[in-house]
Amino acid sequence: DAKTTQPNSMESNEEEPVHLPCNHSTISGTDYIHWYRQLPSQGPEYVIHGLTSNVNNRMASLAIAEDRKSSTLILHRATLRDAAVYYCIRSGNTPLVFGKGTRLSVIA
Amino acid sequence: NAGVTQTPKFRILKIGQSMTLQCTQDMNHNYMYWYRQDPGMGLKLIYYSVGAGITDKGEVPNGYNVSRSTTEDFPLRLELAAPSQTSVYFCASSLDRNTEAFFGQGTRLTVV
Repeated sequence: DAKTTQPNSMESNEEEPVHLPCNHSTISGTDYIHWYRQLPSQGPEYVIHGLTSNVNNRMASLAIAEDRKSSTLILHRATLRDAAVYYCIRSGNTPLVFGKGTRLSVIA
Repeated sequence: NAGVTQTPKFRILKIGQSMTLQCTQDMNHNYMYWYRQDPGMGLKLIYYSVGAGITDKGEVPNGYNVSRSTTEDFPLRLELAAPSQTSVYFCASSLDRNTEAFFGQGTRLTVV
């Protein structure tokens, strides 16, 4: 339930933008897209979430495709502190089920 | 606000012992969740609750029990600890399934 597909890993240079993709082709009309991240040796932390429109907050931007079958988390300027596992989750019948996520490495 | 508080932070159990992991939140959230995370792996949902008196199984409920008698508290009970239950346990809460979830600091449990 609540399945999404993300690349296993990505790499970015410090100070450059990062686009983390997520596919959720079976999403229903009322499911939100949530992004969380987990820094090394810490618990998960909320990043951003949205339903249909693109969303911005102090941490990131979320771009949701018009058909809602995919979305992209955008970190505008990656820092070393952004190195983490990023999880894309859709709120389905069983809420907040985590997949394997994308491990983001940031190179100085 | 304290947010989501988990106790204890660390615990070592012997095989066959039982214990309760405590989780409490002060945000009046309806939804609460328990996860386990094995070393180098992702989070697995054990149980969740959508409100007081209501609990549901997640992905890996075997060997655990939960109760939700109040909005604030969502304890997780291990009845007969096994080495396979060695893990880090996270509790979380959210207002509903479509809002931000807040996580506790985790409980590191070792069963020997």
